[in-house]
Amino acid sequence: AQRVTQPEKLLSVFKGAPVELKCNYSYSGSPELFWYVQYSRQRLQLLLRHISRESIKGFTADLNKGETSFHLKKPFAQEEDSAMYYCALSGRRGGGSEKLVFGKGTKLTVNP
Amino acid sequence: GAGVSQSPRYKVTKRGQDVALRCDPISGHVSLYWYRQALGQGPEFLTYFNYEAQQDKSGLPNDRFSAERPEGSISTLTIQRTEQRDSAMYRCASSSPPGTASYEQYFGPGTRLTVT
Repeated sequence: AQRVTQPEKLLSVFKGAPVELKCNYSYSGSPELFWYVQYSRQRLQLLLRHISRESIKGFTADLNKGETSFHLKKPFAQEEDSAMYYCALSGRRGGGSEKLVFGKGTKLTVNP
Repeated sequence: GAGVSQSPRYKVTKRGQDVALRCDPISGHVSLYWYRQALGQGPEFLTYFNYEAQQDKSGLPNDRFSAERPEGSISTLTIQRTEQRDSAMYRCASSSPPGTASYEQYFGPGTRLTVT
C-alpha cells in the first residue's frame, strides 16, 4: 500500500535555526517524492521534487531509499517559511498523470 | 497567467441536497485531478481525467460521488444526497501528461463544502 507519514503535526523553531521536517513513505516500487507547501491564504503549491535535486528557497530534500525517507531541510529558517508543508508521493517516475498520495502535513512556525 | 479556478469557493448545503463543484483547469493542461481534504488531514485522491476520459476513480468514496469532464476542459464533481461527513475542502489540480516538460500538479484555491 502507498502511504506517507509525517510524524510531526506542529513544528516551531526560531528564526535562523535549522529546520527539518520529517517524511517517511511506504511504496513497493520506485516512487516520485514531492514536497508541497501552503502559505497562509494561498493555494497548495509544489516546493520541490526529488528527481530534480534542486534547492528552492534554501530548502533541500534527499531521498533515502534505505530508510524510505524524504526529509525536508533548511539550515537557517526565515519567518516567511511559516506554512503548512505536505510530503507526497506518486507512483510513476517522471509521470504527470498519476495521483498524489499526501501525508497529513506539518505546520511550521518560525518565531522571530 | 490564469491558474486553476474553482467555484464556488464556499458552499453550505443541507443534508440530502445535491451539490456540484466546478473546476476550470489551466488552458492546455490535459490531466485534471480531484482531491478531498478533511480538517487536519492531507489531500486525499478522488479521481482524475486525461482529456475527457476518466482514468482512475478509485478514490471516490461511494456511488453518491461522480465526476465528469465532457469536453476535456472544465470538470464537475457532483455529490448526491449530501451527508455531514462530506464536509471538507475539495481541491482540483491540473497538469500536463507524461512526456512533456512539466508534470507538476497546479492546484486551485479549493471549494469549502459544509453540510448542515
